[in-house]
Order: sequence, then structure tokens, then C-alpha cells
Amino acid sequence: EAQVTQNPRYLITVTGKKLTVTCSQNMNHEYMSWYRQDPGLGLRQIYYSMNVEATDKGDVPEGYKVSRKEKRNFPLILESPSPNQTSLYFCASSLGPGATEAFFGQGTRLTVV
Amino acid sequence: KQEVTQIPAALSVPEGENLVLNCSFTDSAIYNLQWFRQDPGKGLTSLLLIQSSQREQTSGRLNASLDKSSGRSTLYIAASQPGDSATYLCAVTSGTYKYIFGTGTRLKVLA
Repeated sequence: EAQVTQNPRYLITVTGKKLTVTCSQNMNHEYMSWYRQDPGLGLRQIYYSMNVEATDKGDVPEGYKVSRKEKRNFPLILESPSPNQTSLYFCASSLGPGATEAFFGQGTRLTVV
Repeated sequence: KQEVTQIPAALSVPEGENLVLNCSFTDSAIYNLQWFRQDPGKGLTSLLLIQSSQREQTSGRLNASLDKSSGRSTLYIAASQPGDSATYLCAVTSGTYKYIFGTGTRLKVLA
């Protein structure tokens, strides 16, 4: 089954404690991206990756890092989480950035206290 | 800068009604437009993808249309059911490497 898998689904952490949210896709997609969803603001792109070792900033990259060492994985790293990063996070993948269907993971609800 | 707007923000209808959800975008130079469904606490499920060269797509009781020149898309849901209750999001892709989302329409179908 084609899918994008995120882990964990839920996470409560304290300010400043580094964390990683993993994302993996089994469709051999080249393009992957991370979004955060906040009430009233909708989904906003954090980072995207066109392929292995090719990443770039989206609209709200501050406080986040990503890496793309393998095609299937695109982890999101919060080096020093702060309460304003409390949000619902989604990973997405597609064959390309525009012309093809996007597949989204189930989401990770992160709370930073 | 591309902006996507969805109206109405919330909608409540009795079961069996046909309904239309609206999505508008400011820049007509898009690659495609995609409609998603989001259930509480769950991810986004792709419903329909319309390429920029297409006018509409259909899947079961769902029909999505695209009018690029006017910057509009509609999602038509026929014979609505309580199971259709969810938030519906539209997203467009254009020259930048991202999907630009609307803030969604929260639909409730009453039994």
C-alpha cells in the first residue's frame, strides 16, 4: 500500500529538548516536504526536498532542520523546541512538486511546554 | 503571491442534500489543484487532482471543476451523507515548490 508514515503521532516535550519527527514514504517519490498546520493559518510549508541531499527552506523554516540522506526518509529536527512550535505537522511526498498528486502522512501533534 | 480562499468556512446541511464547496486563488498560473479531506485527528486524504489543462474530475459522488481564468474551483458533493462530515481543503501548486492551501471548509452533514 502506498503511504507516507510519520512517527510519532503524538508528542509532548519540554522547551529546549531536541526532538526528531520521522517521515518515510514507500512510493519512490523524489519530492518530499514538511508542513505545519495552525488554527486560522492553514498549512504552511516548513522545508522541502527535491531529491537526496537537496533541501530548501519553505515559508516558515525558523527553528527547524531537515536532512535527506535517503530517498525514502525526510526527518524533521527541532534542535531547541519552543512553545510556538506547538502545532500539527504533516509530511508529504509526490513524484514532483507540481504536476502530480501529493500524499500526506497522518500527522504528528506536537506540544511543547 | 498566490493566495487561496475557501468559502464558506463552515457548512451544515441535512443528509441527502447536494452541496458545493468553493475555492478561489489569486494567480491563475497553476500546475494543478487538489482537493483533500481532513478528519479530526487524522491526516489529509486526497480526493481529486485536477491538472491545469483539465476542466473537471469526478470520483463517485464527488465532482471538482477548475476555471483557471477566473481563479476558481468547486467541489460538488452529491447526495451528502453523515460520513462526509470533515474539513475539506483545496491546494494549488504553481511556480514555487509547494502547495498553497486554503484554510478549509468544515462540513457537517446531519442525519
